[in-house]
Amino acid sequence: LAKTTQPISMDSYEGQEVNITCSHNNIATNDYITWYQQFPSQGPRFIIQGYKTKVTNEVASLFIPADRKSSTLSLPRVSLSDTAVYYCLVAPGGGNQGGKLIFGQGTELSVKP
Amino acid sequence: DGGITQSPKYLFRKEGQNVTLSCEQNLNHDAMYWYRQDPGQGLRLIYYSQIVNDFQKGDIAEGYSVSREKKESFPLTVTSAQKNPTAFYLCASSGTPLLNEQFFGPGTRLTVL
Repeated sequence: LAKTTQPISMDSYEGQEVNITCSHNNIATNDYITWYQQFPSQGPRFIIQGYKTKVTNEVASLFIPADRKSSTLSLPRVSLSDTAVYYCLVAPGGGNQGGKLIFGQGTELSVKP
Repeated sequence: DGGITQSPKYLFRKEGQNVTLSCEQNLNHDAMYWYRQDPGQGLRLIYYSQIVNDFQKGDIAEGYSVSREKKESFPLTVTSAQKNPTAFYLCASSGTPLLNEQFFGPGTRLTVL
């Protein structure tokens, strides 16, 4: 499974756009990029998944360049409730890998008033 | 109201005792997973099951055991062989074969005294 690298922590202020970048240099052809959000003492929650270019949903956008060696999670106009740890995962699509999702240390986002 | 339940939320045990953590889901998902999370760390996969009566070891299975006798239930036993069992345990399920989306329970915080 591809290894990912993301910043340990980030600070932001309410109303700002936050971009968290993840590096995955050895991503494989059949790998998808998935982001999860985790609040303290809770289980992670799926945010978004993409393969290439741009994906947008009601919560976030995911930007993936043509070489797919990195990806950027974009959170528009963050609020205090977006303070959480964000995990970038790279795993084969199709869900047939036995759930081998590797959650690294993640990025701890702190949103200040 | 569909979801995953874990009980209890907090659990205290004496060293040397086996303890079983409960995980139930009513999402009709085939796959279920157990993760362990230590403070400031990501999640590590203990065991997973893709179908009833079948399960596979994850990355840190030593000292743990599971069973999958029913589709909706996947209990985890932390045995006395687990050297450092104090941690936050998360159960998840997945029913979407084309998406790396797992649904997590609220977690059980186990403290071994």
